[in-house]
Amino acid sequence: QVQLVQSGAAMKKPGSSVRISCKASGGTFRSFAISWVRQAPGLGLEWMGGIMPIYGTTDYAQKFQGRVTITADESTSTVYMVLSSLRSEDTAVYYCVFAINSWQGMAAWDHWGQGTLVTVSS
Amino acid sequence: ENVLTQSPDTLSLSPGERATLSCRASQSVSASYLAWYQQKPGQAPRLLIYGASSRATGIPDRFSGSGSDTDFTLTISRLEPEDFAVYYCQQYGSSPQTFGQGTKVEIK
Repeated sequence: QVQLVQSGAAMKKPGSSVRISCKASGGTFRSFAISWVRQAPGLGLEWMGGIMPIYGTTDYAQKFQGRVTITADESTSTVYMVLSSLRSEDTAVYYCVFAINSWQGMAAWDHWGQGTLVTVSS
Repeated sequence: ENVLTQSPDTLSLSPGERATLSCRASQSVSASYLAWYQQKPGQAPRLLIYGASSRATGIPDRFSGSGSDTDFTLTISRLEPEDFAVYYCQQYGSSPQTFGQGTKVEIK
């Protein structure tokens, strides 16, 4: 059974960056498709980008291009997401999501982290 | 991008009733790569349906998905108390993957 444990909540100033980690246990890390999905308070789900460790490829939503970087460390089965130039609208819960079966890095996400609340405020 | 529109926004039903949720895509969804998720307050979403009609592991058979091309439906045959939640559809056939805005199923 795959378990995903994310880093804790963060409070950030506008203009700064945040790094969130997601450590996986169970399963073969490099065989997963991995993405980050966020949810602003009271709102819906938004895909930010993803990585395929087996190919070393990334794909980012155009909205976040240039502000988001997703990396994976196979040695520790951990994926990282860095979001820079933070603004108040980035206040949200950020989820890492994994899937074994994927198509071009896209998938129905059957494994979710517990979520990390990032609050951006001056 | 492929925009997903869910309807209705809110569905008020009683336990035991049938729930029918709709998800309409602005473009055809490749290979029926359409998923449904359930989310309860304070929890991460849970995958219910993938490939438009396949139930994910451990999902009760009262949940069923159908549809193709641009029109998809999630049906809950008889609502149990634990089914009152928000439901999202997601297409993963083209990048960017997109989600619908959600349908809240509330107790009438």
